[in-house]
Parts: sequence; C-alpha cells; structure tokens
Amino acid sequence: DIQMTQSPSSLSASVGDRITITCRASQTISNYLNWYQQKPGKAPKLLIYVASTLQSGVPSRFSGSGSGTDFTLTISSLQPEDFAAYYCQQSYNIPWTFGQGTKVEVK
Amino acid sequence: EVQLVESGGGLVEPGGSLRLSCAASGFIFSNAWMNWVRQAPGKGLEWVGRIKSKIDGATADYVAPVKGRFTISRDDSKNTLHLQMNSLKTEDTAVYYCTTIVNFYYYMDVWGKGTTVTVSS
Repeated sequence: DIQMTQSPSSLSASVGDRITITCRASQTISNYLNWYQQKPGKAPKLLIYVASTLQSGVPSRFSGSGSGTDFTLTISSLQPEDFAAYYCQQSYNIPWTFGQGTKVEVK
Repeated sequence: EVQLVESGGGLVEPGGSLRLSCAASGFIFSNAWMNWVRQAPGKGLEWVGRIKSKIDGATADYVAPVKGRFTISRDDSKNTLHLQMNSLKTEDTAVYYCTTIVNFYYYMDVWGKGTTVTVSS
C-alpha cells in the first residue's frame, strides 16, 4: 500500500498568513494527488485534484503543486473560513490512501 | 444539484450486521463510480471501498481490514448505493461517507453528509 505522510500534523497561523502543507508519498504516484478540506462536524470537500487543478468554486488563494512523491498545498492569504483540517489522498493505486491530516488552527 | 444522502447507521453489537444506503440525485447514477470513506471518532479519513459502474463491470475493491466482511453494491434502478457490513468490530465505529468518483484520475468530488455507525456492546 502507498503511505501518505503529511507535515506538519498541525499548525497555528493568523488571518492573512501564507501557509504550506506538504504531502509525501511512499512511492511515485505521478500527479494522482488530491486535497480535501474538512471543517468540524462536516463532510470533507474537494479542493484540488490532479495535484494542481482547483475544484470549481474554490478560491484562488488555494494552490497545489508537485509530482512524483512530493506535493504541497498552499494558502496564499489565510481567511477565517480556512481554519480546518486538510487531507491529501493518492488515487494512483488501490487501496486509495489518505494522509493523516493537517489541522490549521488560529494562532 | 448533485446530492448524496446516506442512511442506515446506528448502534450494533460486535459481530452484528448493518446495511448502509446512499441515495443519489442530480446526476446519472448508473454511469458513476461510487465510493465509501469512513472516519473513526477523532481520526483521519480511511477509504473503505469503491464500485465501478455497470458498464465498467460493477466490480468492487476494498481496503484490507474490511475485505470479506463488507460488500458494496448498487441498485441503478433506484439510484442507490449500499454498503453491507457483516461481522462488525468495535474498530468499525465511524462516520461513513459515500462519494462520487471522477473517472481516470479517481478523485472524490461529491460527498454525502455521512451516517454514524457505532459498534459497541
């Protein structure tokens, strides 16, 4: 199985900050990498697919990059509604696997 | 509007069974590959399994911990996805989400709100 490792597991930031979350795959996954946002008590929401394509309706302050084994999710200017958990997920090989999540908290 | 609504969750004793359903609307369900993802209390997301569309063979794949105990099926006449869960264990306690899958790159673009399964004596 492909292991997905996110870092950091949590981070504290302020509104307006630029933040970056990294996701590393245990083997190459090309660009089969997706990012989801989850707010407490809610279902996850797709943010970015195929490593860098923004899902319709997602603000442009979110961006994704990477290929192979190393990927990043960047929020250019953190907004109050962005405090949430973020998960990467590989869809290269079954079983599809998620990273352990990164919780973005208010500083 | 694309919508997925899960139902069927509840409290069940270890070793028991439960059948979850996911009612789909707003898209051509018969063409869609569908997924179940779960989240144990306070934990991250875990892919449970997916089923292809009938035209692609309607075959299902599962994560190792549920293989042989869980079965995903679909009723295209009722636009409904099912997850039959047998021999339930306490570690199956989770919120279960159904999702659509976009073909080729296999990302999960629409999620239901989830249904809670609690396995406890």
